[in-house]
Amino acid sequence: SQQGEEDPQALSIQEGENATMNCSYKTSINNLQWYRQNSGRGLVHLILIRSNEREKHSGRLRVTLDTSKKSSSLLITASRAADTASYFCATAKPNNNDMRFGAGTRLTVKP
Amino acid sequence: DADVTQTPRNRITKTGKRIMLECSQTKGHDRMYWYRQDPGLGLRLIYYSFDVKDINKGEISDGYSVSRQAQAKFSLSLESAIPNQTALYFCATSDPTIANYGYTFGSGTRLTVV
Repeated sequence: SQQGEEDPQALSIQEGENATMNCSYKTSINNLQWYRQNSGRGLVHLILIRSNEREKHSGRLRVTLDTSKKSSSLLITASRAADTASYFCATAKPNNNDMRFGAGTRLTVKP
Repeated sequence: DADVTQTPRNRITKTGKRIMLECSQTKGHDRMYWYRQDPGLGLRLIYYSFDVKDINKGEISDGYSVSRQAQAKFSLSLESAIPNQTALYFCATSDPTIANYGYTFGSGTRLTVV
């Protein structure tokens, strides 16, 4: 079964707005990662946050992790049309580093 | 050249046929994975290998087999293809010793079983 579940399933915003996607998971994790997938292409790693970290930034991306709530969020600031893609969270359990992916959030940024 | 190369990119095959999907990587990583992606279901792990002598089943291994021919090569076989194995298949590699490591994915193989 999938470990992570993203919310919402789909999100449509205007260029320049911020986009927030959420991920919930069920068991203890070693780390949580976010990936991006353009239609029909391979996934691209965006950012990793470890279980002992609460927030991480990379360019226009901001990721938070709340292990007490077993949830994470990905914020994309000042979105661009080129950000249109599907975004997946993935979790790695302690002592078992195979990643389990959620079903993804489909983000559409309108010009 | 891409870090992770999958062949073929697209394949149409008939029910009952055996088919092999190939993956090679130039990252020098020990760990390799096979996932399938179905619409609305995200990626599901089929098999993974932490080194040449280590092969592990994932959550949906039934109907599939793998071979780790070398550190750089990991192939996935469908012994007798069936229509519900129609999906997008991804190979990936990783090295957890690298800080902030992530998986590197291939471009995928779109398989259609008719």
